[in-house]
Amino acid sequence: AQRVTQPEKLLSVFKGAPVELKCNYSYSGSPELFWYVQYSRQRLQLLLRHISRESIKGFTADLNKGETSFHLKKPFAQEEDSAMYYCALSPNSGNTPLVFGKGTRLSVIA
Amino acid sequence: NAGVTQTPKFQVLKTGQSMTLQCAQDMNHNSMYWYRQDPGMGLRLIYYSASEGTTDKGEVPNGYNVSRLNKREFSLRLESAAPSQTSVYFCASTFLGLNEKLFFGSGTQLSVL
Repeated sequence: AQRVTQPEKLLSVFKGAPVELKCNYSYSGSPELFWYVQYSRQRLQLLLRHISRESIKGFTADLNKGETSFHLKKPFAQEEDSAMYYCALSPNSGNTPLVFGKGTRLSVIA
Repeated sequence: NAGVTQTPKFQVLKTGQSMTLQCAQDMNHNSMYWYRQDPGMGLRLIYYSASEGTTDKGEVPNGYNVSRLNKREFSLRLESAAPSQTSVYFCASTFLGLNEKLFFGSGTQLSVL
């Protein structure tokens, strides 16, 4: 069965410090991985997906199939990055619902 | 273009009461979902509807029923509410085959006393 693990419930970093939100997955096939974000008083929204290999708001995430990880990184944290972050896995292409991790709350301290 | 609209935003129930959470989307999406969000538990799928006319159980369906009323609307019913159903409920939608790009509603905060 597919599973997404986010080991940290809460991550606190100082403004300007690097950020790494950890995500590990369990799936026997070739998954698609995503990061969703929920800012305070805003809707949950897609932040980025691994197939796009894009950088959104300074965040990047690389799929490491050997370590079954998809960690979210940003070199210099900003206060506006404070939010709840969810890692999610799509077991196959499109028709099966996403599986979400338990989420990590990022707090950026000024 | 409102996106995904959920009603009500807040609700307090007594144990044993019933209620229906409403969800509507105006993006012509095929697939709709109900999740619950609990501290430390993340987002868990309750039910989903891949397309109009179909519904399927998710990870935590017990105590809930759903109705896909039409392409736009997908409701979640609690027949006999229990304190364990105190949660924030999110509806989401997307195009069939594109389930990674989910559009979420603003949520319903439900307390069962």
